[in-house]
Amino acid sequence: KQEVTQIPAALSVPEGENLVLNCSFTDSAIYNLQWFRQDPGKGLTSLLLIQSSQREQTSGRLNASLDKSSGRSTLYIAASQPGDSATYLCAVSTYSGGGADGLTFGKGTHLIIQP
Amino acid sequence: ETGVTQTPRHLVMGMTNKKSLKCEQHLGHNAMYWYKQSAKKPLELMFVYSLEERVENNSVPSRFSPECPNSSHLFLHLHTLQPEDSALYLCASSRSGEGLETQYFGPGTRLLVL
Repeated sequence: KQEVTQIPAALSVPEGENLVLNCSFTDSAIYNLQWFRQDPGKGLTSLLLIQSSQREQTSGRLNASLDKSSGRSTLYIAASQPGDSATYLCAVSTYSGGGADGLTFGKGTHLIIQP
Repeated sequence: ETGVTQTPRHLVMGMTNKKSLKCEQHLGHNAMYWYKQSAKKPLELMFVYSLEERVENNSVPSRFSPECPNSSHLFLHLHTLQPEDSALYLCASSRSGEGLETQYFGPGTRLLVL
């Protein structure tokens, strides 16, 4: 059974710092890995999707890497801003042989950027 | 605006009530999903529908009954729930159910069972 772990569980840093969020998964037979952002009381916003054949994706100040063989991904946030404060969730789509697959999520990293 | 809407946004119900959650996607997608988010637990997949057929039931108790009348609408019918079923229920959709594309999430329904 796929399990996803995110470290750290919580992080508080001053504005302007570069930071790295970590995600690991136990089963490397994945279709893709996604990073989401969740603001309090709200749904999820997709940030980046990395297909299993890719090694990284970039969007603005965000860069996500994927090392499928070691079961790891990192989300790099450059020049953090208070508006980046949210919970960041890592999720993998795992091949189950049945075609349609839901996502397996980690518990998330709760990020606070101090002004 | 994600293109996925959910109603109601908040719901309080007793253990003997029957209620339904509704999800609608305006993205032309063919796959829809129900997830449950409880406090201090990871988001858990409940059901997957692809082309209106249920393709996955992730060991969910029978007091939760999904319905997908067409590719744009997904319901979760609730009956005789327990207090531990209180959670945020999230709906998502994707272009196909093959695990290759981004899933788009609705804002969720916050459910409280008394």
